[in-house]
Amino acid sequence: AQSVTQLDSQVPVFEEAPVELRCNYSSSVSVYLFWYVQYPNQGLQLLLKYLSGSTLVKGINGFEAEFNKSQTSFHLRKPSVHISDTAEYFCAVSGANAGGTSYGKLTFGQGTILTVHP
Amino acid sequence: EAGVAQSPRYKIIEKRQSVAFWCNPISGHATLYWYQQILGQGPKLLIQFQNNGVVDDSQLPKDRFSAERLKGVDSTLKIQPAKLEDSAVYLCASSSTGATEAFFGQGTRLTVV
Repeated sequence: AQSVTQLDSQVPVFEEAPVELRCNYSSSVSVYLFWYVQYPNQGLQLLLKYLSGSTLVKGINGFEAEFNKSQTSFHLRKPSVHISDTAEYFCAVSGANAGGTSYGKLTFGQGTILTVHP
Repeated sequence: EAGVAQSPRYKIIEKRQSVAFWCNPISGHATLYWYQQILGQGPKLLIQFQNNGVVDDSQLPKDRFSAERLKGVDSTLKIQPAKLEDSAVYLCASSSTGATEAFFGQGTRLTVV
């Protein structure tokens, strides 16, 4: 079984400031990690994913995340945020199982609402 | 390329009524997922289809929820009878064989009063 904990339910920040959204996971199998963004009344859009290889992953809109296996974390960062980054962000995991890996079979965290103030 | 289509976008029903949601995945995507997102929570997987077969429905409340994907393309999720706690956004997602991500529709927001 897998679980995901997003440590902050809300993160307020001023425009052009850096931001970090924290995510920790637990799993008994190898995991694949994702960050999704959800704008109001919209579906989920993939920001970035970690499958293997380099632990620093770059995504869309200037976001990046670092996979830390020893700390079971996958924190999302952006060096300078914009008003348009205001949204809810979800960390998610999928895991290998006997039937193979379904990358869309996801366990999500509770979400972090990022609010960027002018 | 057209995205995942869902309808209706919004639905309000009274408790004990029935309701159905429709999803048309991206063309050629063999895998289809239904997720339930309750306000303030992350989405939770209800059911996964591979073509027209169910792969995982372990978290589907089968006493009131049902889903089908008869021709391996579009899918319907039904709730009968609805309860107040079923108020949520129902998200459909699809992925192609070998793909490393799923694509989500805009969701159907259900309010049970």
